[in-house]
Amino acid sequence: GEDVEQSLFLSVREGDSSVINCTYTDSSSTYLYWYKQEPGAGLQLLTYIFSNMDMKQDQRLTVLLNKKDKHLSLRIADTQTGDSAIYFCAEREKGNQGGKLIFGQGTELSVKP
Amino acid sequence: GAVVSQHPSWVICKSGTSVKIECRSLDFQATTMFWYRQFPKQSLMLMATSNEGSKATYEQGVEKDKFLINHASLTLSTLTVTSAHPEDSSFYICSARDLGGILMNTEAFFGQGTRLTVV
Repeated sequence: GEDVEQSLFLSVREGDSSVINCTYTDSSSTYLYWYKQEPGAGLQLLTYIFSNMDMKQDQRLTVLLNKKDKHLSLRIADTQTGDSAIYFCAEREKGNQGGKLIFGQGTELSVKP
Repeated sequence: GAVVSQHPSWVICKSGTSVKIECRSLDFQATTMFWYRQFPKQSLMLMATSNEGSKATYEQGVEKDKFLINHASLTLSTLTVTSAHPEDSSFYICSARDLGGILMNTEAFFGQGTRLTVV
């Protein structure tokens, strides 16, 4: 079945850029997403990208998609301590009115002052 | 963005009792809502897909008689954990997909989660 993989931890210094990587297996995915989860909270949608796009930029966030390698990345510029959280990538299965979301295991980002 | 409200945020119940968790879409209609379970430091596991006016679709391995889902209106889905046991203790999160308007087909929005502790 479909699988989404992420590295579990990333530690950066405040002000540096963070790059969180994700690989997926379903080449027919239509949308790919990045979510942020703070402790004890639900998921906050950060950004998404259509599968026919290579890049999307939204303020400090840049998403790169390499469809050939099924690789997705999220770059956070000028990382702040408030960016410390768990970041999930997810792909959406193809399906009637959009399939279900398949999540990676999450990358815990730690930002040190 | 769209708001999904989940209630309660946390609940402690005795073993053998039932607990109901509500998921509401506040500013859009959601024909489809999703219920997830999340264990500490782990990813989200989809439990079931809730469709307004019809039976929920459960993922493999999820007991439908244990986790009752009702989606009676376009803005409300409920998950009832029946005869709860300590192993049901977990973080439950709902999401709702807006299939209409400007948010169409872009995303499902998540509630803030419910921490269930069964003692």
